[in-house]
Amino acid sequence: DVVMTQSPLSLPVTLGQPASLSCRSSQSLVHSDGNTYLNWIQQRPGQSPRRLIYKVSNRDSGVPDRFSGSGSGTDFTLKISRVEAEDVGVYYCMQGTHWPPHTFGQGTKLEIK
Amino acid sequence: EVQLVESGGGLVQPGGSLRLSCAASGFTFSSYWMHWVRQAPGKGLEWVAKIKQDGSEKYYVDSVKGRFTISRDNAKNSLSLQMNSLRAEDTAVYYCARNWAFDYWGQGALVTVSS
Repeated sequence: DVVMTQSPLSLPVTLGQPASLSCRSSQSLVHSDGNTYLNWIQQRPGQSPRRLIYKVSNRDSGVPDRFSGSGSGTDFTLKISRVEAEDVGVYYCMQGTHWPPHTFGQGTKLEIK
Repeated sequence: EVQLVESGGGLVQPGGSLRLSCAASGFTFSSYWMHWVRQAPGKGLEWVAKIKQDGSEKYYVDSVKGRFTISRDNAKNSLSLQMNSLRAEDTAVYYCARNWAFDYWGQGALVTVSS
């Protein structure tokens, strides 16, 4: 199984400051079709998960452009250019390249400092 | 508007059974893979099972193989998860999610396995 490792597990950030979340996979997430199936999922407190980013860097409809995804192979990053209060929650990376099973990272808990 | 609404959660004793349902609307249900994902209290997300558009392929995480069965009824736009031989460690909120890329999620159904 592909192991997804996120860091840090807890990220206190001052409002208006940037945040960077890391995700590493135990093997390359490049699929034989050439795509890299790496998603970022946001879960606000008390809410269902919501996809933010798919295939590494594609923002979902309605996701603010302060969120951006990057990376390749086994190393991926979610960046928030200026953290807002509504960004508080847990962020998960997950892979859809090597399945079953689909696997998620442990999550990074973003909080306001 | 895409909507996924889970139902059927509740309290069940260890060794018991429960059937979850996910009612889909706002899209052509029969065109999409569908998943079940769970989240134990205070823990992260764990993929449980997925089913192909026509139900011909089904996949499970090892910990539920032989105990859980995923199914779908495309005529009723409905996804199901039959859970047998339930264990305390199956206690979780169960979400249904759409597509290979998990683009939409339901609100979840809580399953508690306890005596």
